[in-house]
Amino acid sequence: EAGVVQSPRYKIIEKKQPVAFWCNPISGHNTLYWYRQNLGQGPELLIRYENEEAVDDSQLPKDRFSAERLKGVDSTLKIQPAELGDSAVYLCASRITRGSIGEQFFGPGTRLTVL
Amino acid sequence: AQSVTQLGSHVSVSEGALVLLRCNYSSSVPPYLFWYVQYPNQGLQLLLKYTSAATLVKGINGFEAEFKKSETSFHLTKPSAHMSDAAEYFCAVSNSGNTGKLIFGQGTTLQVKP
Repeated sequence: EAGVVQSPRYKIIEKKQPVAFWCNPISGHNTLYWYRQNLGQGPELLIRYENEEAVDDSQLPKDRFSAERLKGVDSTLKIQPAELGDSAVYLCASRITRGSIGEQFFGPGTRLTVL
Repeated sequence: AQSVTQLGSHVSVSEGALVLLRCNYSSSVPPYLFWYVQYPNQGLQLLLKYTSAATLVKGINGFEAEFKKSETSFHLTKPSAHMSDAAEYFCAVSNSGNTGKLIFGQGTTLQVKP
């Protein structure tokens, strides 16, 4: 079974530039999460999808961050414009079903460096 | 609100020694608790989870953790450290609902010396 796939693995951009991250969850996993992990910290949830619906985006900085999961499968997280403080690892995770204490499976992450 | 505190950002042990990583949680509802491991440049991998069944939970790679409600703790242990155990370890708490939202601690880096 393929795991959670994320691309790119690394991205270096200058501040004020846009950037996008892509995630393909494990097949059949209807719940998808985006986390941000700052250096030396634990991951923090940005947004959670149940199928194509964003059901928890309370921690997403909506002035510059956006996300979509149009067909309820893969997802894209975008930052426009990027700021220096956005440098972090962006992790995607998926879970098989709502209503269970199912394990979240994490992708390898995208390491973003904003110069 | 839920929160997790991991005591000690860095722990160093000798190969073959006991590993003890500390985690205390705060939760107003019965918690679900998790330990994840993160190797360099990789995502998080679940070691074990507590979901209100047995208080002593066994996980992969010889790790186990004990849920102690009176101490609000969920410490991770392994009797004998291997070099391959060197990694970052995260404790996380989730509510009993169906959102699966995880609140992570700040992590503990485990160093294993030969």
